Amino acid sequence: AQSVTQPDIHITVSEGASLELRCNYSYGATPYLFWYVQSPGQGLQLLLKYFSGDTLVQGIKGFEAEFKRSQSSFNLRKPSVHWSDAAEYFCAVRLGAGGTSYGKLTFGQGTILTVHP
Amino acid sequence: GAVVSQHPSRVICKSGTSVKIECRSLDFQATTMFWYRQFPKQSLMLMATSNEGSKATYEQGVEKDKFLINHASLTLSTLTVTSAHPEDSSFYICSARTGERNTGELFFGEGSRLTVL
Repeated sequence: AQSVTQPDIHITVSEGASLELRCNYSYGATPYLFWYVQSPGQGLQLLLKYFSGDTLVQGIKGFEAEFKRSQSSFNLRKPSVHWSDAAEYFCAVRLGAGGTSYGKLTFGQGTILTVHP
Repeated sequence: GAVVSQHPSRVICKSGTSVKIECRSLDFQATTMFWYRQFPKQSLMLMATSNEGSKATYEQGVEKDKFLINHASLTLSTLTVTSAHPEDSSFYICSARTGERNTGELFFGEGSRLTVL
């Protein structure tokens, strides 16, 4: 079964600093990869996704992520963090195309981002 | 993007009572919706897949008689927690898929926080 690991439970950065959130997955084939953000008490908002093609994916709010097959990683980055980016971030994997599993997401444990002024 | 709405956002109930949570796709039709559960400081775990007009598919370890799912229309799925107990207290989030099977994006509701006293 596929699994997703986010090694960092909590990250603190200063506003304006760069950010990288790590995500590693375990899956036999190339999965569909996602990053979501969740503000306290809120649902999830999709930041970006990777299905195929260019391994560097641009998302909303200035985020990007790079798929590295050799490292089974899909790390999320932002060059300059804003205070409003403070939230919890989830990496997720979805099994491949079609079938009954097409909508099932496996989530990582989440990384809480704190931004200091 | 597409909008998925959940109601209620917060509910408190007494132990032994039943609670119904609604998940609506407001501007699109969703033949399939997904129910997730999130414990405090933990990731989201898929509970079940809700299929319009047919029985829900439950993940291993999820009691189908306790978590009743009904998907009576293309825009509404309901999750009923029957005979709720304090251990059922959690954050329940639904999601719905748009578009084609292989590339359709999942949109998440705002979540419903259940507290069982």
